[in-house]
Amino acid sequence: EVQLVESGGGLVQPGGSLRLSCAASGFTFSSYAMSWVRQAPGKGLEWVSGISGSGGSTYYADSVKGRFTISRDNSKNTLFLQMNSLRAEDTAVYYCAKDPFSTPMSSFDSWGQGTLVTVSS
Amino acid sequence: QSALTQPASVSGSPGQSITISCTGTSSDVGGYNYVSWYQQHPGKAPKLMIYDVTNRPSGVSNRFSGSKSGNTASLTISGLQAEDEADYYCSSYRSSSTLRVFGGGTKLTVL
Repeated sequence: EVQLVESGGGLVQPGGSLRLSCAASGFTFSSYAMSWVRQAPGKGLEWVSGISGSGGSTYYADSVKGRFTISRDNSKNTLFLQMNSLRAEDTAVYYCAKDPFSTPMSSFDSWGQGTLVTVSS
Repeated sequence: QSALTQPASVSGSPGQSITISCTGTSSDVGGYNYVSWYQQHPGKAPKLMIYDVTNRPSGVSNRFSGSKSGNTASLTISGLQAEDEADYYCSSYRSSSTLRVFGGGTKLTVL
């Protein structure tokens, strides 16, 4: 059974940094692309960033480009999102999601339970 | 770059069928067969219901079906049941640096 467990969320001041982690199990982690998707309180889903199975290709939404960095450690089956220069509008539940292929194109076939990031002074 | 366009809300009575539309452009919905649909109940993570326009993952009821015409994709739910009441989101691959895009979401109410 696929399991994705996010951690690292919390309260951070504007301009601060936070690193999210997503521990994966139940599948061959390195064979699949992964993404981060966020949902602001009471709002819809927004794709944030994606990474290929090998980690060699990364992709970002315009809203986070230059501030967020996605990475993965295939030896530890873990996905990361380093978030810098955080803004109030980054406040959201952050989900990690698995793609069905090694490149991020098709869909998100498994999701974690999410971790809440709150940016506020 | 704006999200895909979905109606804010739809409703139907138990047993009826409803359709949710998802309109994009030739750079996303119309250009690729990578449209997917997600169901989200309050306080829960999204669940994949349809992938690659028309395909249902194992375990998803055959009351859910997907289609596409031009730049508009659709999710149809037949034989509405109370447990279908949820938010539904479409998503598509997009040929730009953004890569993936979601619709704004549709709240389905089962009357």
